[in-house]
Amino acid sequence: GQNIDQPTEMTATEGAIVQINCTYQTSGFNGLFWYQQHAGEAPTFLSYNVLDGLEEKGRFSSFLSRSKGYSYLLLKELQMKDSASYLCAVRAEKRNYGQNFVFGPGTRLSVLP
Amino acid sequence: DTGVSQDPRHKITKRGQNVTFRCDPISEHNRLYWYRQTLGQGPEFLTYFQNEAQLEKSRLLSDRFSAERPKGSFSTLEIQRTEQGDSAMYLCASSLARAGLYEQYFGPGTRLTVT
Repeated sequence: GQNIDQPTEMTATEGAIVQINCTYQTSGFNGLFWYQQHAGEAPTFLSYNVLDGLEEKGRFSSFLSRSKGYSYLLLKELQMKDSASYLCAVRAEKRNYGQNFVFGPGTRLSVLP
Repeated sequence: DTGVSQDPRHKITKRGQNVTFRCDPISEHNRLYWYRQTLGQGPEFLTYFQNEAQLEKSRLLSDRFSAERPKGSFSTLEIQRTEQGDSAMYLCASSLARAGLYEQYFGPGTRLTVT
């Protein structure tokens, strides 16, 4: 089976740093994505990791450990507009060019003043 | 190109009716995906096309669901004999199949309510 786990909710203060964890068990792992989704809107892409290590992109960084089936998204200098759900998704490559993306349930982050 | 578009944005239908949704991907994108999302959950993969070929179909996609992408451009998702459990947001996403590029761009979604 395929399973992705994330904390359901997190709260942090404006200006702080927050780390959102994601653990996964999938077949044919071929990359991990983080998406941001504001309430009532479509997900928007934040980051992509396929090799172990840290990818930094402005205030957002994402880390991957394939051996541990673990990733985290790090958000620095939090702003009120960062209040949203953060979705972890794994791309599972299958034979015959099949693939699918398995999304986690999302972590709802609330940034407080 | 302004991104992925979906039509309609909202659909209310009675149980047992058929509904069809349309997705127009970003023009140069050859991969198109359909997802279903319910409140508080992440998107659930339904199916994906590369050009006009439907290459993967989730077990979630029962016989009542069918998707097409006849010319490798826009796609339609049809739900026959709708049930209340079909109420959800239906998201379409597209991507360009090129080495190292896997980012999916999502449309605004079609919110289906079955009464």
